[in-house]
Amino acid sequence: SQTIHQWPATLVQPVGSPLSLECTVEGTSNPNLYWYRQAAGRGLQLLFYSVGIGQISSEVPQNLSASRPQDRQFILSSKKLLLSDSGFYLCAWTDPNSPLHFGNGTRLTVT
Amino acid sequence: GESVGLHLPTLSVQEGDNSIINCAYSNSASDYFIWYKQESGKGPQFIIDIRSNMDKRQGQRVTVLLNKTVKHLSLQIAATQPGDSAVYFCAENNSQKAGGTSYGKLTFGQGTILTVHP
Repeated sequence: SQTIHQWPATLVQPVGSPLSLECTVEGTSNPNLYWYRQAAGRGLQLLFYSVGIGQISSEVPQNLSASRPQDRQFILSSKKLLLSDSGFYLCAWTDPNSPLHFGNGTRLTVT
Repeated sequence: GESVGLHLPTLSVQEGDNSIINCAYSNSASDYFIWYKQESGKGPQFIIDIRSNMDKRQGQRVTVLLNKTVKHLSLQIAATQPGDSAVYFCAENNSQKAGGTSYGKLTFGQGTILTVHP
């Protein structure tokens, strides 16, 4: 069966520091991968998606970037964090036969 | 633009009662709908989905109803249990627009808090 791993679970970073969140998927090949952000008390907003290695599409302009160095690895990055980057970041995957499945997220607090 | 809305509902029910969570969507081109359950500190968990060529789909203790005429979606939970307490999100997708990412580019509503009292 497929599983998705995200780390770290929580992260506190100062403004201006870099960010790297990692996500890996097991049990599937060539999945579509996604990064969503959830602000407190709100629904989820799609940030990035990828249909293959090195292929990244951005949904909203922002201070973040994404990369897919391997088939089942998706990374969310920032060179300099802003206070407004605080939130709950969720990695997710699909394939043509599966609905969207989420990881357990990373709670990022920028101080 | 597209939007899927839950009007900040908070639903409180007694254990054993049936629960109904409602969702309105605005994009008549949406053809795929999905419900998620999110417990505190965790990622959303898939509950059930439905395509626009159906108006009802049943799972284990859950039923999703789709009314395309009024662009309304509901999730019914039978015999609600304390473990069902969570935030429930509806989401929609236009698979034609989403292309190769079909199931993953979802537009989410804001969520309903369900509290089940023992």
